[in-house]
Amino acid sequence: SQTIHQWPATLVQPVGSPLSLECTVEGTSNPNLYWYRQAAGRGLQLLFYSVGIGQISSEVPQNLSASRPQDRQFILSSKKLLLSDSGFYLCAWRASLGGGSGYTFGSGTRLTVV
Amino acid sequence: GQNIDQPTEMTATEGAIVQINCTYQTSGFNGLFWYQQHAGEAPTFLSYNVLDGLEEKGRFSSFLSRSKGYSYLLLKELQMKDSASYLCAVRDSNYQLIWGAGTKLIIKP
Repeated sequence: SQTIHQWPATLVQPVGSPLSLECTVEGTSNPNLYWYRQAAGRGLQLLFYSVGIGQISSEVPQNLSASRPQDRQFILSSKKLLLSDSGFYLCAWRASLGGGSGYTFGSGTRLTVV
Repeated sequence: GQNIDQPTEMTATEGAIVQINCTYQTSGFNGLFWYQQHAGEAPTFLSYNVLDGLEEKGRFSSFLSRSKGYSYLLLKELQMKDSASYLCAVRDSNYQLIWGAGTKLIIKP
């Protein structure tokens, strides 16, 4: 069966510090991978998605970046965090094929920038 | 622009039935999803509709009318554990999910 792992679960970082969040998927090949951010009481905002190794699409211009060094690994990074980067970050995957395939989410990372 | 509307908050009684509505305006339509999200946790998949009509899954049902840009999630025999936010999402012509802000459902005994 497929599983998705995301870490860390919580993170408190000072303004200006770097960020690296990692997400890995097991039990599937060539998944579509996504990074979302959810502000309190708000909907999910798509940050990046990837349909293959080394392929990244950015939805929102900001100081975050993403990389996909391996088929089932997706990394969210920042060189210098801003206060506005605080939020709940979610990694998700879905099968490349199959119209009814819903997104499966990792457990999320609660990031607080202080 | 693309827009998903759902009520911010609803309250219902344990054992009752509640209907959560979702209306959408998107560039294209390739399916509508409902997710459940408990506080502090990740969303979990509940249902998928791509054709008009009702999809039933146990206590949960989801309805879609593409001509009206409308869906609802029906929860029957409510339990306290159903207290959560319910997210409506539409997949557009680019196969990207557009998310509503979610409906917080409060269940009272």
